[in-house]
Amino acid sequence: QKEVEQDPGPLSVPEGAIVSLNCTYSNSAFQYFMWYRQYSRKGPELLMYTYSSGNKEDGRFTAQVDKSSKYISLFIRDSQPSDSATYLCAMSALLGTSGSRLTFGEGTQLTVNP
Amino acid sequence: DAGVIQSPRHEVTEMGQEVTLRCKPISGHNSLFWYRQTMMRGLELLIYFNNNVPIDDSGMPEDRFSAKMPNASFSTLKIQPSEPRDSAVYFCASNRQGNSNQPQHFGDGTRLSIL
Repeated sequence: QKEVEQDPGPLSVPEGAIVSLNCTYSNSAFQYFMWYRQYSRKGPELLMYTYSSGNKEDGRFTAQVDKSSKYISLFIRDSQPSDSATYLCAMSALLGTSGSRLTFGEGTQLTVNP
Repeated sequence: DAGVIQSPRHEVTEMGQEVTLRCKPISGHNSLFWYRQTMMRGLELLIYFNNNVPIDDSGMPEDRFSAKMPNASFSTLKIQPSEPRDSAVYFCASNRQGNSNQPQHFGDGTRLSIL
């Protein structure tokens, strides 16, 4: 079983829809949770970064972490065609100054249709 | 601010040839990560450095792969000899390690094709 599970999609929605992207994980040591957005032929770009449980909002994007359920979500409100990309969840445990490993989900491909 | 810079952006070469990928991390970042991305396996961590020292190379697939970080502003990933199954997009990322882990920032990758 993978440490991080993410539905690869593809997911296709009309412009203006609310999009919900999710990941589940099995390692209870994970404390840092990230969402990256990756456009075609580009590197992953950090979108949201949260520590421990709770919600974080940034414009149209909201990240939620539920550590009790080992479940994280990314919500996109009023989705735009420019949001069409692959969304990767990533997480890590605190390993001090020796460095840290990010464990990625396989990514969900999202298309927002005008 | 300049992000992580990788070169070349694309590389096409014949199997058996040596391939060298280059990375310049963000200034001030003291950790550097090399990843490989394929459709089948997603993003895989190959190796990472902290303060120019390799910390974990357990993801390096074979002895044909080697990585160096001679100073804080430059790293190379070398494949010798290259094989068609090495074809993938190779990403470099960097962050600042300290009392708390900062998120990693990625370059735009090197798209490698081995014929």
